[in-house]
Amino acid sequence: AQSVTQLGSHVSVSEGALVLLRCNYSSSVPPYLFWYVQYPNQGLQLLLKYTTGATLVKGINGFEAEFKKSETSFHLTKPSAHMSDAAEYFCAVISGNTPLVFGKGTRLSVIA
Amino acid sequence: EPEVTQTPSHQVTQMGQEVILRCVPISNHLYFYWYRQILGQKVEFLVSFYNNEISEKSEIFDDQFSVERPDGSNFTLKIRSTKLEDSAMYFCASSEARGNTEAFFGQGTRLTVV
Repeated sequence: AQSVTQLGSHVSVSEGALVLLRCNYSSSVPPYLFWYVQYPNQGLQLLLKYTTGATLVKGINGFEAEFKKSETSFHLTKPSAHMSDAAEYFCAVISGNTPLVFGKGTRLSVIA
Repeated sequence: EPEVTQTPSHQVTQMGQEVILRCVPISNHLYFYWYRQILGQKVEFLVSFYNNEISEKSEIFDDQFSVERPDGSNFTLKIRSTKLEDSAMYFCASSEARGNTEAFFGQGTRLTVV
């Protein structure tokens, strides 16, 4: 069965600093990988996804993630954090036709 | 832009009462889902629904839970006799297909059982 591990339940960065949110997955078949963002009191919004093809995927709000099969990772990055990036971020995986499985989430705080 | 809508946004109910959470999926989507997020925990899959029947469910989705698509637009989650531990954020989602396709999520319904 597939699973997702997000390292760090809370990450704090200064405004303008690099954002790195870590995600590792396990899957017996080639996975499809997603990052969702949840702003306070809101639903889940898709940031970006990897299905096939280019392993570096770009999403909304300047975020990108790289699929590394050898490391079973799909870390989310953004070169320069903005105050508006403060939110909860969820990595998720689909293997075959199974439902989306989420990680526990990482809360990102941005300090002025 | 089409979106998944959920009502109500917040519901408080007494333990043992029945609740129905409502969702309107995106109109041309064929697959519907319910997920649950207990405060401070991860988002967990409950059930998927296709062609008017449950296609998959998790062990959380026991006999207390049921889903229904009563008409062409609504998709509901019913909890027959709520327990304190049912308190959570419930998310509805829909997608065009299964597998490698984006699931669009609603804003969620926060259920508080007292």
